[in-house]
Amino acid sequence: GDSVTQMEGPVTLSEEAFLTINCTYTATGYPSLFWYVQYPGEGLQLLLKATKADDKGSNKGFEATYRKETTSFHLEKGSVQVSDSAVYFCALTPRSYTGANSKLTFGKGITLSVRP
Amino acid sequence: SAVISQKPSRDICQRGTSLTIQCQVDSQVTMMFWYRQQPGQSLTLIATANQGSEATYESGFVIDKFPISRPNLTFSTLTVSNMSPEDSSIYLCSVQRDSNQPQHFGDGTRLSIL
Repeated sequence: GDSVTQMEGPVTLSEEAFLTINCTYTATGYPSLFWYVQYPGEGLQLLLKATKADDKGSNKGFEATYRKETTSFHLEKGSVQVSDSAVYFCALTPRSYTGANSKLTFGKGITLSVRP
Repeated sequence: SAVISQKPSRDICQRGTSLTIQCQVDSQVTMMFWYRQQPGQSLTLIATANQGSEATYESGFVIDKFPISRPNLTFSTLTVSNMSPEDSSIYLCSVQRDSNQPQHFGDGTRLSIL
């Protein structure tokens, strides 16, 4: 079945440091890929997405590129802020968004802490 | 994106009781889903809430334990029945406006069972 593997955490960075969070996936066909973020005490928010190979999703200074050849969707940000402290989840859905295949498969999540 | 309201936001319940969680969306959506997030863990899909018919449950989840209703395109409920401490989790509702949109989540219900 489909699966998502995220790097082990937690990750602690100083403000303005460069961030990379690794994510690789196993899926048949061409899944859609997502990064969700969960701030303390809140639900999940969609951070960015990519629906086909070589697509780059971006939002709030975060970027991730859909790499089919390496089955990866690594999250990057050039300069993190204290407000970026949260749990980050990589996820996928199978190729189609139709009802039968809308199931989101999540990675384990990684906690990012940014210190001033 | 849709505005999703979940109630209650948190609760502390006694063992053996049941709690119903509500999910209300401000516009019609095609799909609604219920997830569980156990402490320190990722999210696991419990079921897809189908409008006007029985929910579709994932492996390991059964209707007797997690009955779900979806009377219309903007509202769904999840009941956690006969609760035990192992049911202490965050329960999240998500919605999908149509087949070309990603899922969006409510803020979740933080449930503790004593």
